[in-house]
Amino acid sequence: KAGVTQTPRYLIKTRGQQVTLSCSPISGHRSVSWYQQTPGQGLQFLFEYFSETQRNKGNFPGRFSGRQFSNSRSEMNVSTLELGDSALYLCASSPPAAGQNTEAFFGQGTRLTVV
Amino acid sequence: GNSVTQMEGPVTLSEEAFLTINCTYTATGYPSLFWYVQYPGEGLQLLLKATKADDKGSNKGFEATYRKETTSFHLEKGSVQVSDSAVYFCALSDSRSGGGADGLTFGKGTHLIIQP
Repeated sequence: KAGVTQTPRYLIKTRGQQVTLSCSPISGHRSVSWYQQTPGQGLQFLFEYFSETQRNKGNFPGRFSGRQFSNSRSEMNVSTLELGDSALYLCASSPPAAGQNTEAFFGQGTRLTVV
Repeated sequence: GNSVTQMEGPVTLSEEAFLTINCTYTATGYPSLFWYVQYPGEGLQLLLKATKADDKGSNKGFEATYRKETTSFHLEKGSVQVSDSAVYFCALSDSRSGGGADGLTFGKGTHLIIQP
């Protein structure tokens, strides 16, 4: 069974540009969440999608947005990139019976560098 | 709000030493607690979990007990190996956030280095 797949693995963008990251969850998983990982702030929750609807959102500015498609694949978009957006962006998916006890399966992440 | 505090390290041990990584939490609901591990260049993998007070999670020789009275979930292993070198994250999920992949609150991570 294929794991969570994130593309691309590495990305370099210029300040002010926008970027789109992609995540394909494990087959059958309908919940997809995104996290930002930086050395200073650690792992921070961005948002979660379930059945194409945003169900939860973390404390990030509106420049960070996402969406989920009918096949559960998800994309995350960051507009007007800032140097501080440089981070590892992790996607996680959960099985259909999502609840607080449910395991989250993480992808390898996309390393975004803003120059 | 929710928070998780853990020692950041790096923690350096010799092979076969006993390991403890402390983790304490603050939560307004009734959280589930998790330990995740991240190997270099990889995403996070669930190591173990506990869903209610006094539960003990265990996997690959690692254990952690959910202590509600001390709001702690310390990770232990009796004899570490070089292959255990990684970053370990303590995390919680509470009933308000809906749990699972949605809204995990993580500690800053503990970098563990095991020397042969």
